[in-house]
Amino acid sequence: ETGVTQSPTHLIKTRGQQVTLRCSSQSGHNTVSWYQQALGQGPQFIFQYYREEENGRGNFPPRFSGLQFPNYSSELNVNALELDDSALYLCASSPDTGGARAFFGQGTRLTVV
Amino acid sequence: RKEVEQDPGPFNVPEGATVAFNCTYSNSASQSFFWYRQDCRKEPKLLMSVYSSGNEDGRFTAQLNRASQYISLLIRDSKLSDSATYLCVVNIGRGDYKLSFGAGTTVTVRA
Repeated sequence: ETGVTQSPTHLIKTRGQQVTLRCSSQSGHNTVSWYQQALGQGPQFIFQYYREEENGRGNFPPRFSGLQFPNYSSELNVNALELDDSALYLCASSPDTGGARAFFGQGTRLTVV
Repeated sequence: RKEVEQDPGPFNVPEGATVAFNCTYSNSASQSFFWYRQDCRKEPKLLMSVYSSGNEDGRFTAQLNRASQYISLLIRDSKLSDSATYLCVVNIGRGDYKLSFGAGTTVTVRA
């Protein structure tokens, strides 16, 4: 096991609603990255948080936002949910900002209806 | 052009067979390369890093061709448990914060 835990594991929301996904990073890791994986696609980078600050962002609209807390756990918030937001959301923690040593959580499967 | 492109497969092979597939990457500044394995509806897990000189890990062999910007993975003596989607992953290097994933190559090993 990677020591990265995400909650909830599954979630169903209605279009237009808001959702918060949570991630507890591995002990000793100060960086958390979030990825979206649509069915049949590879994970796409959403953003990264390093020591409570956003450190980089992929090509996602502002309604995707995040937070990192002093204990390095993190949240991903998505407002105004759209059907296309249905995906597996993966959190990856790493000991530094480089992506190369990331460990993934089991993911949250979000379905928007 | 996508940052990382892979042949989606599927590759259907009998147990004991050898299967190989490639991926290409677009950014010549890419520094780190990996193969991840993803089982159905699970998170990706690191299979192996890919080094410039090529490297083996048991039945798995990875190769990197920087000139042509492609990476390969070869699986020898396939097992049923090798059935999975294999994701090619590229990281530009220190200071680059994201992993760029291909869409994956599906391998099914049949008895």
